[in-house]
Amino acid sequence: SQQGEEDPQALSIQEGENATMNCSYKTSINNLQWYRQNSGRGLVHLILIRSNEREKHSGRLRVTLDTSKKSSSLLITASRAADTASYFCATDAWEYGNKLVFGAGTILRVKS
Amino acid sequence: DGGITQSPKYLFRKEGQNVTLSCEQNLNHDAMYWYRQDPGQGLRLIYYSQIVNDFQKGDIAEGYSVSREKKESFPLTVTSAQKNPTAFYLCASSSPGQPVGKLFFGSGTQLSVL
Repeated sequence: SQQGEEDPQALSIQEGENATMNCSYKTSINNLQWYRQNSGRGLVHLILIRSNEREKHSGRLRVTLDTSKKSSSLLITASRAADTASYFCATDAWEYGNKLVFGAGTILRVKS
Repeated sequence: DGGITQSPKYLFRKEGQNVTLSCEQNLNHDAMYWYRQDPGQGLRLIYYSQIVNDFQKGDIAEGYSVSREKKESFPLTVTSAQKNPTAFYLCASSSPGQPVGKLFFGSGTQLSVL
């Protein structure tokens, strides 16, 4: 089961620009999480937003959640070359039990 | 340092052979997970365990087996029944319960077939 679908699949931007990635999902959720993965490494948790929250910030990251549209977006402001990575959304839903279901990810490349 | 340790980083399997991937955590987490990642794809859940001596199948459990004899350890065996084992394997842990909290991941094991 793949609950989340990220869009776009790949994104290439210049350093200093903003990067926006979107995630759509299918069922009602408890929370939605965003993770980052550098090539050949494990995932690192970025931010968790609960179903009753609409927006959350962490440093240069801004996450929004629209439960009516079953979608979330991750905005990285003033991107840096070090932000180059894959970004995944993951959803926790009662329907899927005690586990997170991950999307296929967005590959972000920030050119210096 | 607290965290999750996966070993080995690279593993090669001969046809017909079982291999075991190690996952150890010192975060005192009850819940542990094994995911498989194929190139350019997301993570698919193989097995998960909420407490010691108990585990559940994920979405792609066929050809894999696990054990959870200790809280700190959740080894994954890739059996000869898994015909396409080449992938990147990730172990993770979290505090138990639902909603699921954030996952802490190991650095992964790349398994290839000789």
